[in-house]
Amino acid sequence: KAGVTQTPRYLIKTRGQQVTLSCSPISGHRSVSWYQQTPGQGLQFLFEYFSETQRNKGNFPGRFSGRQFSNSRSEMNVSTLELGDSALYLCASSLAVGAVQETQYFGPGTRLLVL
Amino acid sequence: DQQVKQNSPSLSVQEGRISILNCDYTNSMFDYFLWYKKYPAEGPTFLISISSIKDKNEDGRFTVFLNKSAKHLSLHIVPSQPGDSAVYFCAAMVRNDYKLSFGAGTTVTVRA
Repeated sequence: KAGVTQTPRYLIKTRGQQVTLSCSPISGHRSVSWYQQTPGQGLQFLFEYFSETQRNKGNFPGRFSGRQFSNSRSEMNVSTLELGDSALYLCASSLAVGAVQETQYFGPGTRLLVL
Repeated sequence: DQQVKQNSPSLSVQEGRISILNCDYTNSMFDYFLWYKKYPAEGPTFLISISSIKDKNEDGRFTVFLNKSAKHLSLHIVPSQPGDSAVYFCAAMVRNDYKLSFGAGTTVTVRA
């Protein structure tokens, strides 16, 4: 079956703009997590959604938000972009919230560059 | 605050030899640890995990060792193969709080 898909794959924005990233989980998966990857910081947890509800949140400012739709697709929004938001944003899906983490499947990521 | 640290950003090893990747953590509540492997333009894929009740877990060429008193874990790859060239992330979590905390990653290059 198809893996986790993320769109767009690459994005260039300028400071102050906002951006919306999309993630389609593996069919049947109901939990979607978002991570930010930057050089030197590794992967940092943003938030997790299950059944259209945010179940867990990392330590990111309120400019970072997300939502999940009834078909489990998820979007992540970053408003008032800053240069430091340039990163690879990864989405991961799993069958259920709190699933054993090795069952979490990652998408290829969206690379965001803020100029 | 980085709770999981991989202090070696890169590692170069000859094919057939052992690769040893190290990871340190600061949160004593972490009770489950994972290693992920990531190729360019792909998302991370799960490699191997270990629960805090164990000190070793082996899966084929990959072995993870956990030293809880030192808050240290390591991944051994024996023998190293060219296809092992990738970025390796160490991750940790508290099992009933399923937020994964990742290290910054170690880039492994296996030389022929």
